[in-house]
Amino acid sequence: DAGVIQSPRHEVTEMGQEVTLRCKPISGHDYLFWYRQTMMRGLELLIYFNNNVPIDDSGMPEDRFSAKMPNASFSTLKIQPSEPRDSAVYFCASSSIEGANVLTFGAGSRLTVL
Amino acid sequence: GNSVTQMEGPVTLSEEAFLTINCTYTATGYPSLFWYVQYPGEGLQLLLKATKADDKGSNKGFEATYRKETTSFHLEKGSVQVSDSAVYFCALSDAGGTSYGKLTFGQGTILTVHP
Repeated sequence: DAGVIQSPRHEVTEMGQEVTLRCKPISGHDYLFWYRQTMMRGLELLIYFNNNVPIDDSGMPEDRFSAKMPNASFSTLKIQPSEPRDSAVYFCASSSIEGANVLTFGAGSRLTVL
Repeated sequence: GNSVTQMEGPVTLSEEAFLTINCTYTATGYPSLFWYVQYPGEGLQLLLKATKADDKGSNKGFEATYRKETTSFHLEKGSVQVSDSAVYFCALSDAGGTSYGKLTFGQGTILTVHP
């Protein structure tokens, strides 16, 4: 398996623009997580899904953020409109019950909002 | 709620020195405990884990023992290498219920090893 695949790896955009980050989890994993990492706040859980259903979105900063998982092999995190304070590295991770909660992370998407 | 506290960093060591990174946790029930490592420009990857009290996780010369009496899971390595330079995260998993699968991470500890 190629692991968790995220795209784009780097995104530079201007304030007010829409940003869409994409994630392909490991085949067979039934949990998918979106994390955000910044120097100031560390690693924050934004939202996670189980069997494509959102379970906990309490970490989503505000209504500008939305996440979807239309099928077991694809998820998106969208920011609209983007703001400079959204600049961070966004990680997607997946896991399975059979894998005993071990998260496999993608390489991350580094977002810079100017 | 659950929480994980790691020792303040950054930690700077010379090659072949002994490493300890402290981690304590607060949780209900019996969580599993993890150490993840993040190398520059990469995502986090599992270093080791322990699923019950007194279990010892080990990998690549790193060890950590699940101490329920002190609610700790300290990471140790007897002789660090320059290639161990990375950020280390302690984490716990919710024991069950609707939060199954969710991990709570500590703030991370930056380790730099000099030749």
